[in-house]
Amino acid sequence: EVQLVESGGGLVQPGKSLRLSCATSGFTFDDYAMHWVRQSPGKGLEWVSGINWNSVSIGYADPVKDRFTISRDSATNSLYLQMNRLREEDTALYYCAKAGGMSRHHYGMDVWGQGTAVTVSS
Amino acid sequence: QSVLTQPPSVSGAPGQKVTISCTGSSSNIGTGYAVYWYQQLPGAAPKLLIYDDTKRPSGVPDRFSGSKSGTSASLAITGLQAGDEADYYCQSFDSRLSGSVFGGGTKLTVL
Repeated sequence: EVQLVESGGGLVQPGKSLRLSCATSGFTFDDYAMHWVRQSPGKGLEWVSGINWNSVSIGYADPVKDRFTISRDSATNSLYLQMNRLREEDTALYYCAKAGGMSRHHYGMDVWGQGTAVTVSS
Repeated sequence: QSVLTQPPSVSGAPGQKVTISCTGSSSNIGTGYAVYWYQQLPGAAPKLLIYDDTKRPSGVPDRFSGSKSGTSASLAITGLQAGDEADYYCQSFDSRLSGSVFGGGTKLTVL
């Protein structure tokens, strides 16, 4: 069974940093692109970042560009999101999602985790 | 303002058919990038409903169908059931933004 388990969320002050992790199992991690998607309370889905199977192609949504960094580790089959200079508007439930193929461009998100909550507040 | 435009809400009686539209542009749906649809039940993570414009993952009932034409796509749900009440999102890739984009979501109410 394919599983994605996010962790690392919590309460953090504006301007601080947080690192989210997504532990994966049940599939060949190296063969698939991965994404982070967030959902602010009561709002819709917002794509945050995506990374190809080989980490060569990476993309970020404009609101997080230059503050967030996505990465993946094939040794641990894990996906990460380093979030720096956090803002109150980054408050959301952050989902890890597996793409349907190697490319972040040409596949949708066929498996989702349950999310980890991030609250940015003083 | 989402890159893909969906109606905020749709409704229908049990057994009826509803359609949810998703309007994009020449830099996403119109370029030929595939459209995906997700269902998010209350309190749950999103679930892939339609991929590659029209295909259903294993386990998704054939009451759900997708279509695409030009810069728009649609999700049709026939034989509405109470359990279909959820938020529905379309998603594609945008070449100008070099990233995935979602519609704002459509809340389906079964009357």
